[in-house]
Parts: sequence; C-alpha cells; structure tokens
Amino acid sequence: EVQLVESGGVVVQPGGSLRLSCAASGFIFHDYFMHWVRQVPGKGLEWVSLISGDGGATYYADSVRGRFTISRDNTKNSLYLQLSSLRTEDTALYYCAKDATHSLDHWGQGTLVTVSS
Amino acid sequence: DVVLTQSPLSLPVTLGQPASISCRSSQSLGNSDGNTYFNWFQQRPGQSPRRLIYKVSNRDSGVPDRFSGSGSGTDFTLKISRVEAEDAGVYYCMQGTHWPYTFGQGTKLEIK
Repeated sequence: EVQLVESGGVVVQPGGSLRLSCAASGFIFHDYFMHWVRQVPGKGLEWVSLISGDGGATYYADSVRGRFTISRDNTKNSLYLQLSSLRTEDTALYYCAKDATHSLDHWGQGTLVTVSS
Repeated sequence: DVVLTQSPLSLPVTLGQPASISCRSSQSLGNSDGNTYFNWFQQRPGQSPRRLIYKVSNRDSGVPDRFSGSGSGTDFTLKISRVEAEDAGVYYCMQGTHWPYTFGQGTKLEIK
C-alpha cells in the first residue's frame, strides 16, 4: 500500500525558512517523479513543484520559483521542500503526491505551514 | 497557464439523484502522444484529495461505478448516477497535458 507522510509544518514569520519532509513507502520510490501541491485552508489546490526520480530535473510554479527548492533522498525514500523568503500568501496545507504519468495518483495527509508575525 | 473553469461551483443534490459537474479548459488537452491527461479528484471534508478518474474516463481502483467521466478537447464532465451520502465533498478537475499542471476551482457537492 502506498503511503506518503508529510511533516515539518510550523508557524513561521514572514521572511523565514523551513523544510518540509515526505516519507514514502509501498512503492519503488526512485522510479517515480514526485510533486508538492498546496491548498490554502478552505480554498482550492495549487501545484507547487515536481522532481524527477533521480532528482536531476526540477520544476516550479512561478509563484514559488527562486524561493522554494525541491529535493529527494532515494536512500531514505524521502522527498523534501525547502521554503525560504516566506510570505503570508504561502500559508497553506502542503501535500506531497506521487506522479502517475501526467497525473497524481496518491496524496499524503498534508502538513500545515502558517506564515504570520 | 491552462485555466480550468468548473460549473457549478455549488451543487445541492438529493440522495439517489444524479449529479453532473462540468470542467472547461482554456486550451485543448489532447497530448501529442494521443492521450488526454484530464483527471477528477474528490476531497471529502477533512481529507486529502483522492483521484477518481484519470485520462478522462478511467476509474481508479475502488471507485464505485456510479462515477463516470467523459469529454474531449476542452470540455469534460463528471457524472454520478445516484448520489450517496459519502459523495459529499469538493470535486476538482485537473489537467496534466500542459505545464504547469492546473486545477479547477472546485465544485462543492452537498446532500440536500
């Protein structure tokens, strides 16, 4: 059974930084692209970032490019998202999701990032 | 970016009645490989999104056959033949043909 468990969400001040983690199990992690998607509480879904299976290719939404960095450690079956220069509009529930050829077939439960002074 | 516009945004439905949600894309979602990468997700209250339909009309494992997807090009539809109580939640369309992936704004299905 595929499981994705996010962690690392906290309350942080504007301009601050933090790293989110996603622990994956139940599939051959290095074979799959992985995504981060976020959701402002009570609002819709926004795709944030994507990383290839070997970590060599990364993609970002315009809203986070230059401030967020996606990475992975295939020896630990883990996905990461480094968030920096945080803004209040980055407040959201951050999900990791497994890629399935131009789709997202499994999602974690999410971790909440709150940017507030 | 591709804009997906869902309608209606709110959908009250009586138990046992059918329901239909539309999603219109600002660009054709047909890919050069012959596939159309269009998906439907369900998000129940307090839960993560769950994929229901991929590539327009393929149901995920465990998804009841009362859910069906159809469409092509820029116009797509999710239909529920007979709504059950567990179907309450928000439904999102998503396209994976063009970068970046984009989602519709969501349709809230409530049971009357």
